[in-house]
Amino acid sequence: RKEVEQDPGPFNVPEGATVAFNCTYSNSASQSFFWYRQDCRKEPKLLMSVYSSGNEDGRFTAQLNRASQYISLLIRDSKLSDSATYLCVVNSLYNNDMRFGAGTRLTVKP
Amino acid sequence: ETGVTQSPTHLIKTRGQQVTLRCSSQSGHNTVSWYQQALGQGPQFIFQYYREEENGRGNFPPRFSGLQFPNYSSELNVNALELDDSALYLCASSSQVTGNTIYFGEGSWLTVV
Repeated sequence: RKEVEQDPGPFNVPEGATVAFNCTYSNSASQSFFWYRQDCRKEPKLLMSVYSSGNEDGRFTAQLNRASQYISLLIRDSKLSDSATYLCVVNSLYNNDMRFGAGTRLTVKP
Repeated sequence: ETGVTQSPTHLIKTRGQQVTLRCSSQSGHNTVSWYQQALGQGPQFIFQYYREEENGRGNFPPRFSGLQFPNYSSELNVNALELDDSALYLCASSSQVTGNTIYFGEGSWLTVV
């Protein structure tokens, strides 16, 4: 079993739609959680950290459920520019040893 | 921009050759991590350097080695290249100030033929 698993995707949605991505992690000792965004043939960029209380940044909302070892990302009012691969990231044994999911590809269409 | 720079951006090597990839971390960041990202996969942790010492290693063979210099820049060396080493190699920097947040450079695309 992979340490971080994500929805396989791809997700193809129209502009304005709401889309949700799910992620599960296997290491119960994980302490930090993130969503990164990666455009085609570019490096991953931090989208947002995920806090236990849940957090929101504009159209993006992230949730963490430690009991279920589950992370989610909700994107409201999708824009064409949201088209990218979204990577779920969990820290591992070492402070900065991040474990990445394989990513979920999102395409927002006009 | 993250301030993390990598070189070269693209390179092609022959199986069995050796390659050195370089990374300059963001100013003030003393920790550098290297990741390998194969096509269609998420980045995989190779190793991390903190104050010139290896500070954690992923599931990569010894032919993957690294260095960190006093200015915190870093090198990734891969010996005896194999076709499966073809990937995007990402360098990420961080510090105590950034906590667990890492910032990536643009990566080095390596093709082994």
